[in-house]
Amino acid sequence: EAGVAQSPRYKIIEKRQSVAFWCNPISGHATLYWYQQILGQGPKLLIQFQNNGVVDDSQLPKDRFSAERLKGVDSTLKIQPAKLEDSAVYLCASKGRDSRVRTDTQYFGPGTRLTVL
Amino acid sequence: QKEVEQNSGPLSVPEGAIASLNCTYSDRGSQSFFWYRQYSGKSPELIMFIYSNGDKEDGRFTAQLNKASQYVSLLIRDSQPSDSATYLCAVMKTSYDKVIFGPGTSLSVIP
Repeated sequence: EAGVAQSPRYKIIEKRQSVAFWCNPISGHATLYWYQQILGQGPKLLIQFQNNGVVDDSQLPKDRFSAERLKGVDSTLKIQPAKLEDSAVYLCASKGRDSRVRTDTQYFGPGTRLTVL
Repeated sequence: QKEVEQNSGPLSVPEGAIASLNCTYSDRGSQSFFWYRQYSGKSPELIMFIYSNGDKEDGRFTAQLNKASQYVSLLIRDSQPSDSATYLCAVMKTSYDKVIFGPGTSLSVIP
């Protein structure tokens, strides 16, 4: 089973520039998450999709961040304009059944490391 | 009060010792509890899941849950250098809710 795919893996931009991240979840997973993980902190949920609908975006800075999942599969997260404090790893995850622990759990992609200069 | 808190690290234990990682949560409605391991520069991977009070064992790992105290812990027996990582505690109210992560505890196992 292929895992969660993300691209790019690394991105360096200057403040006030725009950037977009792409995520392809595990096939069949209806729930998709975007997290922001700042160095030394736990992941913080930015947005949760169920199919192509938004379930939770309460912590998404909507003045600069946007996300979409138009066909209920791939998703993109955009930042426009970027600020220095947006430097972080952006993790995409999808939820599905884990046969080992016998519950639904999140599978994380490799992340995109964003550096804003 | 933060929703999920973990004991501050870094935690250092000698190889072969027991590592004890602690987590408390604020929402009494939380039903599912996860421990993720995250190696430096990598994404989190699930190592334990627990939802009932008591202990759950999987190999060298034991998760302990006490809902009355709103406390969940992870014990790692016979710690190995390969266990050196950051351990993230995560809680969820229902399977339709968001998962809330703690800040993580960095563990270093010294050979």
